[in-house]
Amino acid sequence: AQTVTQSQPEMSVQEAETVTLSCTYDTSENNYYLFWYKQPPSRQMILVIRQEAYKQQNATENRFSVNFQKAAKSFSLKISDSQLGDTAMYFCAFMKLLAGANNLFFGTGTRLTVIP
Amino acid sequence: DAGVTQSPTHLIKTRGQQVTLRCSPKSGHDTVSWYQQALGQGPQFIFQYYEEEERQRGNFPDRFSGHQFPNYSSELNVNALLLGDSALYLCASSLTPSGNTIYFGEGSWLTVV
Repeated sequence: AQTVTQSQPEMSVQEAETVTLSCTYDTSENNYYLFWYKQPPSRQMILVIRQEAYKQQNATENRFSVNFQKAAKSFSLKISDSQLGDTAMYFCAFMKLLAGANNLFFGTGTRLTVIP
Repeated sequence: DAGVTQSPTHLIKTRGQQVTLRCSPKSGHDTVSWYQQALGQGPQFIFQYYEEEERQRGNFPDRFSGHQFPNYSSELNVNALLLGDSALYLCASSLTPSGNTIYFGEGSWLTVV
């Protein structure tokens, strides 16, 4: 079974500063995807960034980047130049690379508050 | 381009009743999945529908059932509601059953009293 652990229930950061959210996971799979999703008060899950496990290069999307450590089963999210709109719940998620299936396993989330 | 749409937004049901939630996938998507998100928790996978059949199922009892229609829209049905079924129910869609770009709707808040 896959498990995803987010050990930081809440975090805060000053506007324009950098913050890192932690995520660890447990799996016996070798091929999989990892994701960070953002859930603002509107409740819609929005994809922030995706990492393929077979790629050694860390994914980046504008102000968002990840530090993927496959051996350590660690997948942290770095948000640079934090903006007020980044205030939300952030969920780390895991997906096996499997034909015909794309179910996500989520962590319990980190509530991020950006302080003006 | 309409994203994933869900209805109703909120609803309140009494314990023992039955509920039906509805979802229209993003345009062009033929695969729909449902998730349950309890308060303070991450979403948990209920099941996936493709070609009008349930393809994958998470650890949920048979009280949870679904349906997919020829236009790819989907329904989630929950029978014999329990207080513990109170949660946000999220619908997600993808281009294929293996698609790793998954779009979510804004969810349906179900409160069981």
